[in-house]
Amino acid sequence: GESVGLHLPTLSVQEGDNSIINCAYSNSASDYFIWYKQESGKGPQFIIDIRSNMDKRQGQRVTVLLNKTVKHLSLQIAATQPGDSAVYFCAENQVIKAAGNKLTFGGGTRVLVKP
Amino acid sequence: IAGITQAPTSQILAAGRRMTLRCTQDMRHNAMYWYRQDLGLGLRLIHYSNTAGTTGKGEVPDGYSVSRANTDDFPLTLASAVPSQTSVYFCASSDVGGGTTDTQYFGPGTRLTVL
Repeated sequence: GESVGLHLPTLSVQEGDNSIINCAYSNSASDYFIWYKQESGKGPQFIIDIRSNMDKRQGQRVTVLLNKTVKHLSLQIAATQPGDSAVYFCAENQVIKAAGNKLTFGGGTRVLVKP
Repeated sequence: IAGITQAPTSQILAAGRRMTLRCTQDMRHNAMYWYRQDLGLGLRLIHYSNTAGTTGKGEVPDGYSVSRANTDDFPLTLASAVPSQTSVYFCASSDVGGGTTDTQYFGPGTRLTVL
């Protein structure tokens, strides 16, 4: 498959350790925030989302934290596995009545899991 | 259920030629979207459609057109391709309801090279 974002910031993590991926957003009017995972040669895959009125949400092995004061979003992956190697994008979603969803993506972080 | 399919998977195109990228979803989602993804960048919205018969411009619409004759199909046309349109193109779909079900689901992408 093809790789995207050759110049993306990279997080190297040992298999079994926890990963933390950070993202800064700009739009205070965003209704919710989403983390996507993109493996080489594939489209982005939904991981987890969080509404703007929440500060934490947990999924299976993943936790998203939202700090609206500093406009910061993070994704924590517990017990990182080789299959977690991918590029991770945060996206902010604003629902506009006349236009539907306006999804704005951040630049992405590449996660490399070392065995 | 296939989700979202895109065709072709990849294409090499001479500058000045016309090209249509196809996208079909079987989830009966109201909204569909076209993004482009360039090396080192996140996804950028080209055009969107909230429902069959309506379309709207995204962040980078110039040089592209779309149509939405029915719920399932959302083709993207490059009337006269230029080298700067070399990119990976992703189609996505979502419900439009203002809740977390508005999450966008992405197709596998089309890699387009314009020479």
